[in-house]
Amino acid sequence: DAGITQSPRYKITETGRQVTLMCHQTWSHSYMFWYRQDLGHGLRLIYYSAAADITDKGEVPDGYVVSRSKTENFPLTLESATRSQTSVYFCASRRTSGRQETQYFGPGTRLLVL
Amino acid sequence: GQNIDQPTEMTATEGAIVQINCTYQTSGFNGLFWYQQHAGEAPTFLSYNVLDGLEEKGRFSSFLSRSKGYSYLLLKELQMKDSASYLCAVRRGSGAGSYQLTFGKGTKLSVIP
Repeated sequence: DAGITQSPRYKITETGRQVTLMCHQTWSHSYMFWYRQDLGHGLRLIYYSAAADITDKGEVPDGYVVSRSKTENFPLTLESATRSQTSVYFCASRRTSGRQETQYFGPGTRLLVL
Repeated sequence: GQNIDQPTEMTATEGAIVQINCTYQTSGFNGLFWYQQHAGEAPTFLSYNVLDGLEEKGRFSSFLSRSKGYSYLLLKELQMKDSASYLCAVRRGSGAGSYQLTFGKGTKLSVIP
């Protein structure tokens, strides 16, 4: 039971380069999310997806692009990386059962933009 | 917008009980989560409250009062492994496909012997 995985786990890139962070879940959950976590800000929602081919902006979407061609994958692309995008990125998926709701997080990708 | 407040740090003794408070101001409230996050790791789900009252899960309980914009996480019989950050998060939006989740900055709990 792999759950939710992210790759790469660590990435160093340079300003201006395009970077894609991958997220894969094995549960077939409809909803998936991308967050970034920075000291002093906590976790902030970048984008989310309610289903394949349906995506929407979160709190901090600028500079990011997402796609969801398959239910199990939700890649996040930084089109032209900036130093302010140095962060830890978490992917998550959502499970619902009646009134109960749970979000499961992937292990995170630590991105450093030089 | 949303405003979520929780204490930055707390210290408690092993075996004791600790209560971590979270207050929020939001429109379209649709649930409150608590997560535990150990340093360098991903958040892990603890609880979800959408109705007023207390939800108990083993040593952890979570309470919600929607009218007061207030929640707390109660940890009993504290263990050293409970040293972690505890994140309060508020969901709003109930329309089809609409989903926004805002996290507080977290409370760093240190459990001491």
